[in-house]
Amino acid sequence: EVQLVESGGGLVQPGGSLRLSCAASGFTFSSYEVSWVRQAPGKGLEWVSFISSSGSTIYYADSVKGRFTISRDNAKNSLYLQMNSLRAEDTAVYYCARVDSSGFAYWGQGTLVTVSS
Amino acid sequence: DIQMTQSPSTLSASVGDRVTITCRASQSISSWLAWYQQKPGKAPKLVIYKASSVESGVPSRFSGSGSGTEFTLTISSLQPEDSATYYCQQYNSFSRTFGQGTKVEIK
Repeated sequence: EVQLVESGGGLVQPGGSLRLSCAASGFTFSSYEVSWVRQAPGKGLEWVSFISSSGSTIYYADSVKGRFTISRDNAKNSLYLQMNSLRAEDTAVYYCARVDSSGFAYWGQGTLVTVSS
Repeated sequence: DIQMTQSPSTLSASVGDRVTITCRASQSISSWLAWYQQKPGKAPKLVIYKASSVESGVPSRFSGSGSGTEFTLTISSLQPEDSATYYCQQYNSFSRTFGQGTKVEIK
């Protein structure tokens, strides 16, 4: 069974940093592209970042470019999102999702990041 | 970046009604469009991919159509469990942008 489990969310002050993790299981992680998607409270879905299976190709939404860094460790079946210079508007549930030819067929349960003083 | 615009933002319909949601792309995305269903407190669930292909396990009352810039999601006979927010998403470009969502309510 494909599983994606996010962790690392929590309360952080504006300007602070946080590192999210996504543990993958049930499939060959190193063969798949993955993405981060977020959802602010009561709002819609926002694509955040993408990383190719090897990690050689990376993309970011303009809203996080220069502040967030996506990475992966295929040996550990894990995806990461390093978030720096956090702002109140980064408050959201962060999901990791597996990228398939059909779109995002598998999602984690999400981890909540709250940026507040 | 490709912008995705959904309409309506909210719709209210009765059980058994035919429901249609529209999604428009700011430029052609061929058929690289997916639809997701999201219920409160849950992760989104893929419903339709490549504009008209129904994901495995999704009831046959769900269908999708369109290509280029205009797409629709149709629920042929609305059921109580279909109450949710639906999002379209383009995957023609690397920035996999979503529409703003359509909340479907049961009267």
